[in-house]
Amino acid sequence: GIQVEQSPPDLILQEGANSTLRCNFSDSVNNLQWFHQNPWGQLINLFYIPSGTKQNGRLSATTVATERYSLLYISSSQTTDSGVYFCAPTEGGGNKLTFGTGTQLKVEL
Amino acid sequence: EAGVTQSPTHLIKTRGQQATLRCSPISGHTSVYWYQQALGLGLQFLLWYDEGEERNRGNFPPRFSGRQFPNYSSELNVNALELEDSALYLCASSLDAQNIQYFGAGTRLSVL
Repeated sequence: GIQVEQSPPDLILQEGANSTLRCNFSDSVNNLQWFHQNPWGQLINLFYIPSGTKQNGRLSATTVATERYSLLYISSSQTTDSGVYFCAPTEGGGNKLTFGTGTQLKVEL
Repeated sequence: EAGVTQSPTHLIKTRGQQATLRCSPISGHTSVYWYQQALGLGLQFLLWYDEGEERNRGNFPPRFSGRQFPNYSSELNVNALELEDSALYLCASSLDAQNIQYFGAGTRLSVL
């Protein structure tokens, strides 16, 4: 099955800083979703982005499917951005999400 | 519109018992997915149900089973519980098999 690697594994930011999270995947993908898992375990949908670029407020994401990677940009970070960020592609023709190991983000005052 | 709802929030069982977890999808969604998030193992796909049928299964033993009801809600059953079954179980739903998956808040299962 598809392999998913996320980097960095851990990230500490000062409030207001910008960051880029990366997701590499080993095979062609049908879909790709980015999630934020809050401290209570809830997975919050951020983006559905099998290709191209999307923006939602301070967050944006880019997927380059031909080069098998996706990026999540967080600008002007806030303490509420803390948590774990997961990317999860689905393989071509499939439907199950394969999750990366996540990036643990902590935003400090 | 209500999101994906899961019950119970927490469940405590002893080794060898059976656990039943429930999930109600977003209204209109026909596909339901189950994932396990165990400490140190990450988020892993368990099962996918669509239109009442099991469509795909992850690498889990047969004592993990489930079903989908005519109203598209779903049940996950775990038989002969083992200590390593302790995990957060997350349910997701999508409009159809190719669409965005939305997750519930999860059921935290503890096996003592």
